Parts: sequence; C-alpha cells; structure tokens
Amino acid sequence: EPEVTQTPSHQVTQMGQEVILRCVPISNHLYFYWYRQILGQKVEFLVSFYNNEISEKSEIFDDQFSVERPDGSNFTLKIRSTKLEDSAMYFCASSESPGLVYNEQFFGPGTRLTVL
Amino acid sequence: EDQVTQSPEALRLQEGESSSLNCSYTVSGLRGLFWYRQDPGKGPEFLFTLYSAGEEKEKERLKATLTKKESFLHITAPKPEDSATYLCAVQGFSGGYNKLIFGAGTRLAVHP
Repeated sequence: EPEVTQTPSHQVTQMGQEVILRCVPISNHLYFYWYRQILGQKVEFLVSFYNNEISEKSEIFDDQFSVERPDGSNFTLKIRSTKLEDSAMYFCASSESPGLVYNEQFFGPGTRLTVL
Repeated sequence: EDQVTQSPEALRLQEGESSSLNCSYTVSGLRGLFWYRQDPGKGPEFLFTLYSAGEEKEKERLKATLTKKESFLHITAPKPEDSATYLCAVQGFSGGYNKLIFGAGTRLAVHP
C-alpha cells in the first residue's frame, strides 16, 4: 500500500542551525502539506503546496521556513535558523486532489526535531 | 474562526464496553470532516471522511456520523488494540480551503 515516507525520523540540532526535513509523498498525489505537533498539543497546519507553489501558509510559517519540491518525488521543509520553540514533531502529508473528493490527506510517520 | 473541540479528553473502557467520542466544530462552510487515529510517536492514520449532515461511515468496530454541528465516533465492543488517540479535523471553505484544523484528540485506553 502506498505511503508517505519521511527522513530523518529524529533530528537533533543546535539553536541557530539550519535543518532540512525530507518527505516522499504518495506518487500520484498532487497536493502536499507540512504540519507540526508540539509535544502534548494539537496538530497544527504550516503550509500547503500545489503546482510548484505555496497555496496557503499559516502564521507559524514565517520567513525562517521554506518548502521546495526539488525533483519529481521529494518535498522538503527547511528551517533556516532554528529556535528552541521549533522543537516538535513535523508531519508531511499528501492528497490526491485539491477538489471536493479524493482530498483525504495521508500523513507520514513524522520527524522529531529537537533544538538544543 | 474555524474551531474543533473534542470530548472527552481521555476515556478508559473495558474490553467490549461500547462508547462514543464527540467532535464539535464551528466552520465557515464545511468541506469535509475527517477522523484520524494516532498512536504514540506516530503520524495520524486516516480513518473516515464525512461531507454532509446525515452521512455515516463504518470500518470494523468504528462508525462515524455527522450532524451540522458535531460528529460522533462510535466504538462498538472495543479491543485493547483500539487504544490510541482519535483526532477529528475539519476543512472549511474559507481562505485556502485544503488545510486541516485539528481538535486536541480523545485518548482512548481499552483494558482487557
């Protein structure tokens, strides 16, 4: 069964360092997302990406964040200068269509980011 | 502002003891309501999508229903392997309408 994959599973970094989180969405899906979940809190939307551009972003997704689809299979989230409060589980998701049907979002296993 | 509230926060059941989880929502035009299961340290696993009031979906021991203001996830004769956090999320028509807005979840523990 097709699934979303994410690497690495756990990333430890020093405050101020850049990190890149990687995702491989399901192959025939067209819409890609990043969410995050701080320990013990709700899953929060960060950004959605369609047709090679950002379609929506939340207030959390400031200038320190960027997304890219560098090739036909990968989707990345970059945090330029990490802060302690960026420590969270980051989930990638993808959906087949942006339309009214087939828009279920399937999530990857997550990358746990720890900023020291 | 679109919001999702889930209750109870935590629920402990004996194996075989049926119950329901609630998801109340306010959204400016509902595109879809989604139920996910999340195991500790894992990503949300898709369960159901509901699009309109009166709709029902079933999968094994789970049944999801939808009204204009809330959704219920009914668990019939649960087993210990049903223990997880169940998340409800909505998509609305306002703004970029593909983002999911999640509730805080209900932590379900089923004991033998």
